[in-house]
Amino acid sequence: DAKTTQPTSMDCAEGRAANLPCNHSTISGNEYVYWYRQIHSQGPQYIIHGLKNNETNEMASLIITEDRKSSTLILPHATLRDTAVYYCIVTDYGQNFVFGPGTRLSVLP
Amino acid sequence: SQTIHQWPATLVQPVGSPLSLECTVEGTSNPNLYWYRQAAGRGLQLLFYSVGIGQISSEVPQNLSASRPQDRQFILSSKKLLLSDSGFYLCAWSVYTAGELFFGEGSRLTVL
Repeated sequence: DAKTTQPTSMDCAEGRAANLPCNHSTISGNEYVYWYRQIHSQGPQYIIHGLKNNETNEMASLIITEDRKSSTLILPHATLRDTAVYYCIVTDYGQNFVFGPGTRLSVLP
Repeated sequence: SQTIHQWPATLVQPVGSPLSLECTVEGTSNPNLYWYRQAAGRGLQLLFYSVGIGQISSEVPQNLSASRPQDRQFILSSKKLLLSDSGFYLCAWSVYTAGELFFGEGSRLTVL
């Protein structure tokens, strides 16, 4: 079973920030938080990952709470092409990735 | 650079027929390899993962099997397909110390 819980779906207006939450209350000390997204009929695409510090790359920012029990993926300026299912995964060094149902993000014009 | 190849891309098979899906990775050595399945409108289900040649871990009991005859080759097989085997099959790889998971293009299987 997935170790994370995410909302089933979210909407976001084009050009606004999309904030996708993830709960991982049973995360252990050596486990990372990974985010992937899947656009229809394609393989999932890696977005970002982190251990305990906040992370930022060209695609998104990852904010992890101090107790590491939850995190938020931020897409700073959502576009229509960001419409996808977003998966939050907790795993240690990526040996066993278990995908939950994810959050279906719809970016609206 | 590393690449992952998966084939065939699409196949339609009758119930009871055998299956073989193949996946190869180039540009890296000793990768972790994975097979996932995604039924229509559903999330990804981890089927098998492998940390080395001949080392296969099965996550879900079923009529599918996996083999890793070479370091960068991962094969998904079935002796007799069921209707419930229909879905989108994805091969993926990762390197233990880095952790990112890289997916192939996927194989869409329809069992009739």
